[in-house]
Amino acid sequence: DGGITQSPKYLFRKEGQNVTLSCEQNLNHDAMYWYRQDPGQGLRLIYYSQIVNDFQKGDIAEGYSVSREKKESFPLTVTSAQKNPTAFYLCASSPQGRWEQYFGPGTRLTVT
Amino acid sequence: AQSVTQLDSQVPVFEEAPVELRCNYSSSVSVYLFWYVQYPNQGLQLLLKYLSGSTLVKSINGFEAEFNKSQTSFHLRKPSVHISDTAEYFCAVSAYSGNTPLVFGKGTRLSVIA
Repeated sequence: DGGITQSPKYLFRKEGQNVTLSCEQNLNHDAMYWYRQDPGQGLRLIYYSQIVNDFQKGDIAEGYSVSREKKESFPLTVTSAQKNPTAFYLCASSPQGRWEQYFGPGTRLTVT
Repeated sequence: AQSVTQLDSQVPVFEEAPVELRCNYSSSVSVYLFWYVQYPNQGLQLLLKYLSGSTLVKSINGFEAEFNKSQTSFHLRKPSVHISDTAEYFCAVSAYSGNTPLVFGKGTRLSVIA
């Protein structure tokens, strides 16, 4: 079954801890993206990667880091520097030369 | 740079009534346009897209959207809604160059009332 997997679905952390969100795809897509969703704010781009070992900052990259060591994987680390990390995080991917993005089911992160 | 404005944050409508969700975009270059739907606590699903050709595009579940270049709009319509259409709908735009991130509107929450 082809698709995008995000795990876990719910994640709880204490303030001051770094946490890594997983995103894996078996669609053979070249590009991958991370968005943050807050109520009433739509989706805001955190980071994206168009090719392995390369990534670019999005609109709200501060307090986040990513890596792209394999085509299939694009993990996102929420660091302790992120001031308000509680949110719904969505990973997406798109094939080379295509414009539509395909989304994973999301991870809801709660930091207390 | 591109931007998207969804004019209504919430739209309540009775079951079997028609609905229009409005989307306007701003861009200095040609764009592609998309509508996505999100059910509670789920990811986004592509509903329909305009890339080229006919300006009226349709989805398999009865939604349609019309690209209007002069008005820079891409409104989503359905002639008769069902309870199951209750969800959040996002309009998105992408510049012609491939693999560039989509720019999303803030979403419109459609609530269908029985």
